[in-house]
Amino acid sequence: QISLKESGPTLVKPTQTLTLTCAFSGFSLTTNGAGVGWIRQPPGKALEWLGVIYWNDDKRYSPSLNNRITINKDTSKNQVVLTITNMDPGDTATYYCARRGSYVFRAGRLYLFDYWGQGTLVTVSS
Amino acid sequence: EIVLTQSPGTLSLSPGEGATLSCRASQNIDSSYLAWYQQKPGQAPRLLIYAASSRATDIPDRFSGSGSGTDFTLTISRLEPEDFAVYYCQQYGSWYTFGQGTKLEVK
Repeated sequence: QISLKESGPTLVKPTQTLTLTCAFSGFSLTTNGAGVGWIRQPPGKALEWLGVIYWNDDKRYSPSLNNRITINKDTSKNQVVLTITNMDPGDTATYYCARRGSYVFRAGRLYLFDYWGQGTLVTVSS
Repeated sequence: EIVLTQSPGTLSLSPGEGATLSCRASQNIDSSYLAWYQQKPGQAPRLLIYAASSRATDIPDRFSGSGSGTDFTLTISRLEPEDFAVYYCQQYGSWYTFGQGTKLEVK
């Protein structure tokens, strides 16, 4: 049974650094092709992809946050950690982590976000 | 960056009716890399369709996807009360981008 759960502060002051942890179970981030992504959703708005970390420790970040975001993993604890520096009220959102799952399709594989955590609302305010 | 535009923004229908939701991409997408998600208030998105037309695990067959190139469609036949939600399309071929969503509400 696959599950993910985000945890961290619910309130952050402007200019502070946000650190969120995604604890997962039911899959391994050491499996070839595996990954965990972070996606956020401002209140009443659409989803925005932030970044992803892969089984081989490769990382990709959205250009919109490229110089503020870091994603790391601790495979021994089955955790992925998101860090965003210099938080701004515009970063107020529900933050989700999601598994990058693998699907056999035609002669190859597809990788997409299939299981998501429940999300955690982070408010940026002084 | 590939931009996905969904229409309509809001769709008002009654249970039992059929729904057609549209997703248009700013450039051609390999249909292998187009997904649809359902999101209910206070819940995480749920994967419905991947590769434009393949249903995810445990998704009822009243949900179907189609399309190619820049135009993709999610069709829900015979709406059930639990189907009223917000639906997002997503491309995962060139990193990941989401559409702005279509809200399916009860008429």
